[in-house]
Amino acid sequence: EAQVTQNPRYLITVTGKKLTVTCSQNMNHEYMSWYRQDPGLGLRQIYYSMNVEVTDKGDVPEGYKVSRKEKRNFPLILESPSPNQTSLYFCASSLVGQGTDTQYFGPGTRLTVL
Amino acid sequence: AQSVTQLGSHVSVSEGALVLLRCNYSSSVPPYLFWYVQYPNQGLQLLLKYTTGATLVKGINGFEAEFKKSETSFHLTKPSAHMSDAAEYFCAVSEYSSASKIIFGSGTRLSIRP
Repeated sequence: EAQVTQNPRYLITVTGKKLTVTCSQNMNHEYMSWYRQDPGLGLRQIYYSMNVEVTDKGDVPEGYKVSRKEKRNFPLILESPSPNQTSLYFCASSLVGQGTDTQYFGPGTRLTVL
Repeated sequence: AQSVTQLGSHVSVSEGALVLLRCNYSSSVPPYLFWYVQYPNQGLQLLLKYTTGATLVKGINGFEAEFKKSETSFHLTKPSAHMSDAAEYFCAVSEYSSASKIIFGSGTRLSIRP
């Protein structure tokens, strides 16, 4: 089954404790992206990647890091989480340059930083 | 810079009534426009998209949207609402395919009254 998976689905942590949210897709998509969703603000793009070893900032990259060492994986790293990073996070992927531009979203990771 | 405005954070209609969710955008170049739906506790799912060509776009579940360049609008409609349409709907814009920076609106929650 074609899908985007995220782990963990729920996470409660404390300020300053490094964490990683994993994202994996099995569709051989070149493009992957991370978003955060906050009430009244919709989805805001954090980082995106056009292919392996190619990443770029979205609109709200501060406090986050990403890496793209393999095509299927795009982890989101919070080196020193703060309470303002409490949010619902979504990973998405799509093909590039194929005339197909539908993004497929993961189920979301709800993060609480105390 | 691109932006998206969704008019009305919450819309309530009766079952069988017309659904109209409004979206206006700004873009310095011809836009790609999308509508996504988010059901409770799920990720986003593409409803429909406009890239080029026909300005009336048909999507899944009986939804359609019309790209009106003169009005910079991309409103989502459905002739007859079903209870299963209750969800949050997001309009989004990008300058190229969605495999690039994409800007989401703040979302409209659609409620259906029996």
